[in-house]
Amino acid sequence: GAVVSQHPSRVICKSGTSVKIECRSLDFQATTMFWYRQFPKKSLMLMATSNEGSKATYEQGVEKDKFLINHASLTLSTLTVTSAHPEDSSFYICSALVRDGHYGYTFGSGTRLTVV
Amino acid sequence: QQQVKQSPQSLIVQKGGIPIINCAYENTAFDYFPWYQQFPGKGPALLIAIRPDVSEKKEGRFTISFNKSAKQFSLHIMDSQPGDSATYFCAASRGGNTPLVFGKGTRLSVIA
Repeated sequence: GAVVSQHPSRVICKSGTSVKIECRSLDFQATTMFWYRQFPKKSLMLMATSNEGSKATYEQGVEKDKFLINHASLTLSTLTVTSAHPEDSSFYICSALVRDGHYGYTFGSGTRLTVV
Repeated sequence: QQQVKQSPQSLIVQKGGIPIINCAYENTAFDYFPWYQQFPGKGPALLIAIRPDVSEKKEGRFTISFNKSAKQFSLHIMDSQPGDSATYFCAASRGGNTPLVFGKGTRLSVIA
């Protein structure tokens, strides 16, 4: 149980375009979701926390207008990288807080974004 | 400020050995301590987690030891196998809707 499906797994886009990454909770309601960014051989860096129906809370240094997060339903959160540039190339991972009798955090499989 | 300090950065053990990865934290408000395993190009997968009211927890070949007074916790992998070669992250959270805080990770290589 507590599965999060993240799509796409890989995406290549041109500079200046926007890319949307979806994260769906398949068998539970995810009232709180988190978005992380991970550089090669580095740890996960929290970008933002989103609660269903509310605006996302961004970490210091994360551009709100570049990384748009929408959490409009209890099963779907999206991260849109707007006007992408090569420096936005990274591994993006979503996570959902699980509170269905067990407390924990489950992660999506990640999205490798390459901006060319 | 690094809230969760993890060591070692990398570790090489022989097959069958018992790698031990350590983490230390400062924030006494943390009350949930999970360990995650990550393979290249994949998201982290939960291995085992512990709460501060327990000093040790075992699940299969994985054991967490927790020392509340020292604010330290560690992961032991029994009878390690080459398939255990991955990056391991410790983490901590304050509960509620707060996010996990991750250690920097340990790259484990188990050689046959």
